[in-house]
Amino acid sequence: EIVLTQSPGTLSLSPGERATLSCRASQSTSHLAWYQQKPGQAPRLLIYEASTRATGIPDRFSGSGSGTDFTLTISTLGPEDFAVYYCQQYGSSLWTFGQGTKVEIK
Amino acid sequence: EVQLVESGGGLVQPGGSLRLSCVASGFTIRGFWMSWVRQAPGKGLEWVANIKQSGTEKDYVDSVKGRFTISRDNFKNSLFLHMNSLEAEDTAVYYCAALSYFSFDIWGQGTMVTVS
Repeated sequence: EIVLTQSPGTLSLSPGERATLSCRASQSTSHLAWYQQKPGQAPRLLIYEASTRATGIPDRFSGSGSGTDFTLTISTLGPEDFAVYYCQQYGSSLWTFGQGTKVEIK
Repeated sequence: EVQLVESGGGLVQPGGSLRLSCVASGFTIRGFWMSWVRQAPGKGLEWVANIKQSGTEKDYVDSVKGRFTISRDNFKNSLFLHMNSLEAEDTAVYYCAALSYFSFDIWGQGTMVTVS
């Protein structure tokens, strides 16, 4: 089973700042996605296949990386972007999630 | 509007059973692998089970193998999760989701299962 480790656990930033979230896999993976979740809501797909934005996702969200190291970047934080972010991978018929990074208002 | 709506959650005693349902609208599930993902209170996301478009292939996380069964009815545009021998550790919000490009593209609003 591939384990995903996200860092940092919490990111304290101000609106307008840039956010950089990391996701590291215990083994190489070819399929990596990112989700946003707000309190009381279902997760929302942001990025799939490491770098492709899902339908309707603003271009301030971008994904990069390959193999074992992946990054989600939010270029300019809007007030609606403060949430928890999860990475997720697929490999060997198993789907696993990282533990999440909370982006909070500083 | 593309939508998934779950139902069937509730309070059940340890060792009990529950059947969750998920109905799709605005799209047909026939073209998608479908999944169940759960989230324990205050915790992260955990994939539970998948089922292929035809229903012929199913995968489960180890912790539910032998206890949970995923199924689907493409004619009714519905997905199901039969849960037996429930444990306190199964307490969570259960989401159904449609898979696309190895990611969970469409999500329901979730249904709460409490084992106590």
